[in-house]
Amino acid sequence: QKEVEQNSGPLSVPEGAIASLNCTYSDRGSQSFFWYRQYSGKSPELIMFIYSNGDKEDGRFTAQLNKASQYVSLLIRDSQPSDSATYLCAGSGYSTLTFGKGTMLLVSP
Amino acid sequence: NAGVTQTPKFRILKIGQSMTLQCTQDMNHNYMYWYRQDPGMGLKLIYYSVGAGITDKGEVPNGYNVSRSTTEDFPLRLELAAPSQTSVYFCASSYAPDATNEKLFFGSGTQLSVL
Repeated sequence: QKEVEQNSGPLSVPEGAIASLNCTYSDRGSQSFFWYRQYSGKSPELIMFIYSNGDKEDGRFTAQLNKASQYVSLLIRDSQPSDSATYLCAGSGYSTLTFGKGTMLLVSP
Repeated sequence: NAGVTQTPKFRILKIGQSMTLQCTQDMNHNYMYWYRQDPGMGLKLIYYSVGAGITDKGEVPNGYNVSRSTTEDFPLRLELAAPSQTSVYFCASSYAPDATNEKLFFGSGTQLSVL
């Protein structure tokens, strides 16, 4: 069974710090990985995707993928209180995505 | 552009009742999905469809049924509601996914309570 594992948190960081969110996956056939942000009571929204080993940067966000270790991470630089949310990691399968349980991030002013 | 529209937003059912959660998208996406999300948990796939007339089971299909008669609509049917089906339900759609980008567009969700 395909699994995506995340620490549920909460991960607490002060404003301006770097938040590091991690994810491991079991399916070596997964090609692409996604980070969705979900505010309380809202639907998930895509913030990053990555499919090649290494780093991918988009503004304050950097996604990292290591296929040999089956490990995905998301770094948020200069964290803001508005980044407080649950971050869901997802891996691609045949026509579907498998989601982790999500990590709650709390950024304190 | 409305995107993915789900109705209703909230519903309370009694044990044993049935209902249909409606989902429609106006982006001409072939792929549509139903997920449920329990408190503190991630999204679990109930059913999905890769095009009109084609549906397939996801991870947690028991107690649910779907149909896909048109590209736009993908209703989810709950028969004989049980307390275990209390959850938030999300409908989502996407372009035909390839190996690199499978962005999902989500509806706003339906909060369902079975009492």
